[in-house]
Amino acid sequence: DVKVTQSSRYLVKRTGEKVFLECVQDMDHENMFWYRQDPGLGLRLIYFSYDVKMKEKGDIPEGYSVSREKKERFSLILESASTNQTSMYLCASFQYFGAGTRLSVL
Amino acid sequence: SQKIEQNSEALNIQEGKTATLTCNYTNYSPAYLQWYRQDPGRGPVFLLLIRENEKEKRKERLKVTFDTTLKQSLFHITASQPADSATYLCALGDGGFKTIFGAGTRLFVKA
Repeated sequence: DVKVTQSSRYLVKRTGEKVFLECVQDMDHENMFWYRQDPGLGLRLIYFSYDVKMKEKGDIPEGYSVSREKKERFSLILESASTNQTSMYLCASFQYFGAGTRLSVL
Repeated sequence: SQKIEQNSEALNIQEGKTATLTCNYTNYSPAYLQWYRQDPGRGPVFLLLIRENEKEKRKERLKVTFDTTLKQSLFHITASQPADSATYLCALGDGGFKTIFGAGTRLFVKA
């Protein structure tokens, strides 16, 4: 069974902290994606990667970076968390999504 | 700019009836359209994909139509059940890496 696993379901961080969100897929897919989902706005693409060490900006990359050192793992990094980054974060590999990480920045 | 519109109002129907959800789009030429189901606090689950040259697709109690002239897709759930209650997302892909998503329509099926 296909699996995309996000390391945390819920996170609470302070403003200014560096935050790492981890995502692992077991399908040997090249493409992986990070989205954020806010009420009424749908999913918005932050970054995607089509191969190891390759990354491309999505529609809302500001304040985020990513890392893809291994094919199965795609990490989203908030360099200095801000309150407007409070959101649901979803990792995907093709049409398969993880369960999501609900991040609250206080 | 590219836009996907799904009815933001929740759809309430009685068990056993057919639920019909609408997805409209503008300024986009999709290669395919997808429908997902999302339960509260969970990630979306892929349901169906329909390509631009297909008019209709079925999977069990689900039926999707795709009209590229009207720029619209309809998503039907026949013989609906309370377990079908969820938010349904429409998404468009251009055949490249990116997919754009609608905000979703909440469906409530009453027993």
